[in-house]
Amino acid sequence: GDSVTQMEGPVTLSEEAFLTINCTYTATGYPSLFWYVQYPGEGLQLLLKATKADDKGSNKGFEATYRKETTSFHLEKGSVQVSDSAVYFCALAKPNFGNEKLTFGTGTRLTIIP
Amino acid sequence: NAGVMQNPRHLVRRRGQEARLRCSPMKGHSHVYWYRQLPEEGLKFMVYLQKENIIDESGMPKERFSAEFPKEGPSILRIQQVVRGDSAAYFCASSPDLVQRGNQPQHFGDGTRLSIL
Repeated sequence: GDSVTQMEGPVTLSEEAFLTINCTYTATGYPSLFWYVQYPGEGLQLLLKATKADDKGSNKGFEATYRKETTSFHLEKGSVQVSDSAVYFCALAKPNFGNEKLTFGTGTRLTIIP
Repeated sequence: NAGVMQNPRHLVRRRGQEARLRCSPMKGHSHVYWYRQLPEEGLKFMVYLQKENIIDESGMPKERFSAEFPKEGPSILRIQQVVRGDSAAYFCASSPDLVQRGNQPQHFGDGTRLSIL
């Protein structure tokens, strides 16, 4: 079945450091790919998405490019802030007659220290 | 415009009791998904419902778990005879009909944290 593999955490960086969180997927067909962020005690918020090969999703300084040849969707940010501390989830969905259930990776906990 | 509302936020049950988790989707949304998040793990799909219909329950345990989304009122996830392994965070997400989904297919609630004593 479909699956998402994420970089193991936790990840601790200093403020203004460069961030990469790796994500690879296994799926048949042409899934859409997502990054979600979860702050403590809250639900998931969509950070960015890409729906086809070579698409780049971007939001709040974060970027990820849909690479079909490497089945990857790595998350990057050039300069992280303390407020970026959260858990990040990579996910995929294969829309099927309106059913867009998400398959998630295990999450990567990111802590940014001042 | 209120987001997805889940209640209660925290629920404590003893083994063998029943747990009822409620989810009110965003206004105008007629599709609901339930996910379970075990400690230190990602979310796992459980069930997908449209008003009055279960569309995909491939992630739902075969016993003790049931879900509904009636014509009026919230969606309910029901767990009968709870066991310690049911302790988790349960998240609901809602979405509008396909043609209205735009860039964000699912909006998540803040979850219900279920603890089994």
